[in-house]
Amino acid sequence: FMLTQPHSVSGSPGKTITISCTRSSGNIASNYVQWYQLRAGSAPTTVIFEDNQRPSGVPDRFSGSIDSSSNSASLTISGLTTEDEADYFCQSNDLSNRVVFGGGTKLTVL
Amino acid sequence: QVQLVESGGGVVQPGKSLRLSCAASGFTFSNYGMHWVRQAPGKGLEWVAVIWYDGSYQYYGDSVKGRFAISRDNSKNTLFLQMDSLTADDTAVYYCARDSRKSTVPPRFDWWGQGTLVTVSS
Repeated sequence: FMLTQPHSVSGSPGKTITISCTRSSGNIASNYVQWYQLRAGSAPTTVIFEDNQRPSGVPDRFSGSIDSSSNSASLTISGLTTEDEADYFCQSNDLSNRVVFGGGTKLTVL
Repeated sequence: QVQLVESGGGVVQPGKSLRLSCAASGFTFSNYGMHWVRQAPGKGLEWVAVIWYDGSYQYYGDSVKGRFAISRDNSKNTLFLQMDSLTADDTAVYYCARDSRKSTVPPRFDWWGQGTLVTVSS
């Protein structure tokens, strides 16, 4: 299966944005979804794991959810700051436990 | 503090080989599965390979199967990626990433290195 993300999203400081990750086949709830942040010049970091869990140190402005009706996962970032500007990738796994990544979404904070 | 530091990247000619290393510190290396993930210029993330905590199981992405080999030395807290028969399509930043589990089922990355750039060019 594939995970499809929008190529880009943008928002103003202080606003809220949502990035979607749509699974092409199979139930989105069948396998956990993670979200990773890739900021230029920095090591990637995990911002959400197991659909909606936040690692320690990640601000509660970051939240994750899944929606079976649209077969998609979502990453929501509230109170946008310029530090949130980065590429975000969703990730899940197939039945053989092979890793599947979404194509990535570039977040611009205007 | 968990640290993963990749090394060994550089410019290599098509058809040649390269060996990447990832030095781990700040955690008990032998308790975690490990992955290599790459990102080609302007492209998304691509999973490359996984190895279980004790080295007993390895698995590869379709694009590198038969050409790349993942291994680890738990006595030296180091992960390796041997890359043979390189092509231009292998040009990418290569990241090592720690799995949250010993046996990577299901796979989930919790810590990443900063990456090392591999450029395949004549």
